[in-house]
Amino acid sequence: DQQVKQNSPSLSVQEGRISILNCDYTNSMFDYFLWYKKYPAEGPTFLISISSIKDKNEDGRFTVFLNKSAKHLSLHIVPSQPGDSAVYFCAATRGGADGLTFGKGTHLIIQP
Amino acid sequence: NAGVMQNPRHLVRRRGQEARLRCSPMKGHSHVYWYRQLPEEGLKFMVYLQKENIIDESGMPKERFSAEFPKEGPSILRIQQVVRGDSAAYFCASSPDAAGYTFGSGTRLTVV
Repeated sequence: DQQVKQNSPSLSVQEGRISILNCDYTNSMFDYFLWYKKYPAEGPTFLISISSIKDKNEDGRFTVFLNKSAKHLSLHIVPSQPGDSAVYFCAATRGGADGLTFGKGTHLIIQP
Repeated sequence: NAGVMQNPRHLVRRRGQEARLRCSPMKGHSHVYWYRQLPEEGLKFMVYLQKENIIDESGMPKERFSAEFPKEGPSILRIQQVVRGDSAAYFCASSPDAAGYTFGSGTRLTVV
């Protein structure tokens, strides 16, 4: 049972445009959401997070939006740069000491 | 301040052998988490440990897998009598306070 779903295995975006990565979750107990970026042969790197009490969090080129009623969150990257090409994982937790539940990832490819 | 150190980076084992994966958390971090990533999958939570204690092992397979985080030294993930299905990337993460994970670069286990 996939509690965190990333339905797009890959996404191709032109350099300079906006990249939008989507994530859906089913467990209403999740109250904290994170996005990780992963290059091949490296561990995931934390990108940005959002608490369930907010609907938007922004950090430079990265913005995460949370729609609790739809159980949906998205990561916006603007403008997209070649170095953004990586696999992006959405993760969720019930907070506290719980482990993270990850989606399967979306491979973002930024085309020049 | 070194990041989360995992070794070895690559480990090859024959079926039936034991695999030992090591994780040294960041300095000052007393929370350690192990995750497994199978090919084409997201990261799956395995176990959460604090010094000398297993806090949550709900993601650990019931047999052959064990984890420890002794008072001194690294955390160890041990897989006995490995099978081909154990081939995966194993990631360790640490945090100072059950939030704000930092991941290691992972150990890629190949069972031949």
